[in-house]
Formats: sequence, C-alpha cells, structure tokens
Amino acid sequence: EAGVTQFPSHSVIEKGQTVTLRCDPISGHDNLYWYRRVMGKEIKFLLHFVKESKQDESGMPNNRFLAERTGGTYSTLKVQPAELEDSGVYFCASSFGLAGVYEQYFGPGTRLTVT
Amino acid sequence: LAKTTQPISMDSYEGQEVNITCSHNNIATNDYITWYQQFPSQGPRFIIQGYKTKVTNEVASLFIPADRKSSTLSLPRVSLSDTAVYYCLVGENDYKLSFGAGTTVTVRA
Repeated sequence: EAGVTQFPSHSVIEKGQTVTLRCDPISGHDNLYWYRRVMGKEIKFLLHFVKESKQDESGMPNNRFLAERTGGTYSTLKVQPAELEDSGVYFCASSFGLAGVYEQYFGPGTRLTVT
Repeated sequence: LAKTTQPISMDSYEGQEVNITCSHNNIATNDYITWYQQFPSQGPRFIIQGYKTKVTNEVASLFIPADRKSSTLSLPRVSLSDTAVYYCLVGENDYKLSFGAGTTVTVRA
C-alpha cells in the first residue's frame, strides 16, 4: 500500500511569489491534515479535511494560505504571496477515520524556502 | 491538551534498552498517551498508544503507572536505525496532534 506522498519535496521561491504544495493521502483515507514546522519551532497543526470539507482550519496562520481538497482525494496548500516566515517543512497526514484518530500517517514533507 | 515534559536528548549504544519517560501531570480522564517517532527528512510515524498499565507491540512497550501522570516508552535492544526524535503526545482522541520538542535519541555503535 502506498503511503502519503507530497510534492514537491523541496521548493525555493522568492518573497512575494506563489507556491502550491500537493498531498496525496493513502487511498481510502477520508481524513487529511496539514501541519508545518517553521524554523526552530515545533510541528503545528494547520487544518483538517474530512473528504472535501474543511472541518477545522484554526491553525492556518493567515489568509495567505489556502487549502483545498477537491473531490475528497488529493489536497493542495497554496501560499500567496509567500513571506520569509513561511519557510519551513509542511507535512501532510491522513487517517482512515476518527476512531483511533491518533494514528495519522504522515508524508515526508515539503521543505519550503522563501528567500 | 495536557502539557508534556520529556528529556531533550538521550544517548545509547547498540543493543541496549532505551527508556524515555514523559511527564504529564495534568492528564485528563479521557486522555490517551501516544508516541510518535520521526527520522530525519521524514514525517512522524505512530509507534504506540495506551491508556493505562502496559502496552506492547513489535516496536516498543509503553508503561503507564496507575496515576497516569507519567509514561515510559521502552525501546528494546536499539540499533543505529533507531536514532530519531521521539514525541510523547497526550490528549483525548483528537485530530489535532500537538507535538512538543520531543526527545532526540542517538544510538552509537
């Protein structure tokens, strides 16, 4: 069974540009999550999808971040315009259901560098 | 979410048992204790979860005393490949995982 995949693995962009990160969850997982670790900080929750619906986006830092999950399959996280403080590693995770929800399966992350 | 405290780092040698203790004094009745492992350049990976007493799987054991104010993750006979960051998470089964700083375990030959 394929795990959670993320694309790209690395992205280097200039301040003010736009970047779109993609996450493909494990097939059949209705729950999809985005997390990020900015430099020197801990991994923080960004948002949670159940199928195509956003259940909780309380961790999204500001309106420069837009997450979508059209069709309830893969998800994208767009940062527009990117700022220096957005640099970090963005993780996507998925889980089958809310029962035993702690067992989230994480992707390898996308390392974003804003210069 | 209950606050957790765990050592910043631990060193060990191959073949030894590594025990990482996590303190969570304000754990709530409905809270579970969960441990994740993270290798460099990878996302966190679920290791084990428990509520009380002892839980064991093919990777580790989790010991939880009766008062549940702490827990100990035990890694038997570690190898170099067990070098990673280990996170202790405490909370009611919630989708918002809250990662602290974790414990960096370094296994040496």
